[in-house]
Amino acid sequence: EDKVVQSPLSLVVHEGDTVTLNCSYEVTNFRSLLWYKQEKKAPTFLFMLTSSGIEKKSGRLSSILDKKELFSILNITATQTGDSAVYLCAVEVYGNKLVFGAGTILRVKS
Amino acid sequence: GAVVSQHPSRVICKSGTSVKIECRSLDFQATTMFWYRQFPKQSLMLMATSNEGSKATYEQGVEKDKFLINHASLTLSTLTVTSAHPEDSSFYICSASSGPLLGGYTFGSGTRLTVV
Repeated sequence: EDKVVQSPLSLVVHEGDTVTLNCSYEVTNFRSLLWYKQEKKAPTFLFMLTSSGIEKKSGRLSSILDKKELFSILNITATQTGDSAVYLCAVEVYGNKLVFGAGTILRVKS
Repeated sequence: GAVVSQHPSRVICKSGTSVKIECRSLDFQATTMFWYRQFPKQSLMLMATSNEGSKATYEQGVEKDKFLINHASLTLSTLTVTSAHPEDSSFYICSASSGPLLGGYTFGSGTRLTVV
């Protein structure tokens, strides 16, 4: 059975801190790994990763994939209160299906 | 580009009634759409995959007679929760395959269903 595990389940930080969110997976027929940010409604796309070792960056957010060790991390530097959300990791498998992890609830305190 | 509109955003219905949720791709054609369910503080669970013009493929454990999916056009898929019960109360989200945009999947804004 395909499985995606995220850690930690939740964390609370102060503005300005740097956080690292983890995502490990065990799936057959891996195609890509995606990160989403969810604030009460629909997930919004952050990154798609298909190759190991290539960092994707967007502002204060960055992510990298290790296909040998089967994990990915999402880094957020200089956190702001607007970063408070649930961060979802999903693995796309053949058949165009997304398998989601349980998410990490991030709360940034001012 | 690649916008998916989902309606209604919130619905309350009585036990035993049916509720229809619509998912539309506004500026692209979506041959494949996906329906997810999300319980509080849990992740998205894929319920079914709907392909335009053919029957939906349901995930294991999802009752197809209870959750009717219709994908009659390239821009519209509907999910009907039939004979709703309080345990069907949940957040339902659709997504559509959007090609290379946004990682390949665009999500609707979700529907909060409460069955009383």
